[in-house]
Amino acid sequence: EPEVTQTPSHQVTQMGQEVILRCVPISNHLYFYWYRQILGQKVEFLVSFYNNEISEKSEIFDDQFSVERPDGSNFTLKIRSTKLEDSAMYFCASSAWTGREFFGPGTRLTVL
Amino acid sequence: AQSVTQLGSHVSVSEGALVLLRCNYSSSVPPYLFWYVQYPNQGLQLLLKYTSAATLVKGINGFEAEFKKSETSFHLTKPSAHMSDAAEYFCAVSGPNDYKLSFGAGTTVTVRA
Repeated sequence: EPEVTQTPSHQVTQMGQEVILRCVPISNHLYFYWYRQILGQKVEFLVSFYNNEISEKSEIFDDQFSVERPDGSNFTLKIRSTKLEDSAMYFCASSAWTGREFFGPGTRLTVL
Repeated sequence: AQSVTQLGSHVSVSEGALVLLRCNYSSSVPPYLFWYVQYPNQGLQLLLKYTSAATLVKGINGFEAEFKKSETSFHLTKPSAHMSDAAEYFCAVSGPNDYKLSFGAGTTVTVRA
């Protein structure tokens, strides 16, 4: 079965630094998502992306966050200036239509 | 807006016993409902989904769930627990034209030998 892949699996960064989390969605999918899971908490929606633009974002997704599909295969999440509270597992997902999202294995972000 | 509530953050069962994980939903439109499983240090794997077809949905690994509109519930069951079922389970909801999932807080299942 095709898979969503994410790199790196673990990213450690200093507070205030920029990070870019990378995802390769399934190739024929049209909808792309980022979710995050702070340790011990529920999985939270961050943003959805369709037709090269953000279709929906949560209140978590503030000006420090941005997403991009730079080359037709990668889907990236950038955090401009990381805070301690950004430490979480970040999941990328993609779908061909609504109602069937495939999740990647996640990137664990640790902000020191 | 849609939301789900998972009753019980932790469930402990004996190997071979029934697994029952409870999920209630709130939705202003006909919901799509999902159960995901997360094994330690892994991503989210879809167990099963309800998208307005049959109300009894069978998934992978012997799990099934029943959509009950009158009770706004979508409880997950497995007749006989295996040690390999130890994981965290998330119920999630979306609308039929919604592009995001709203997750419950999760239920951690431990299986006793």
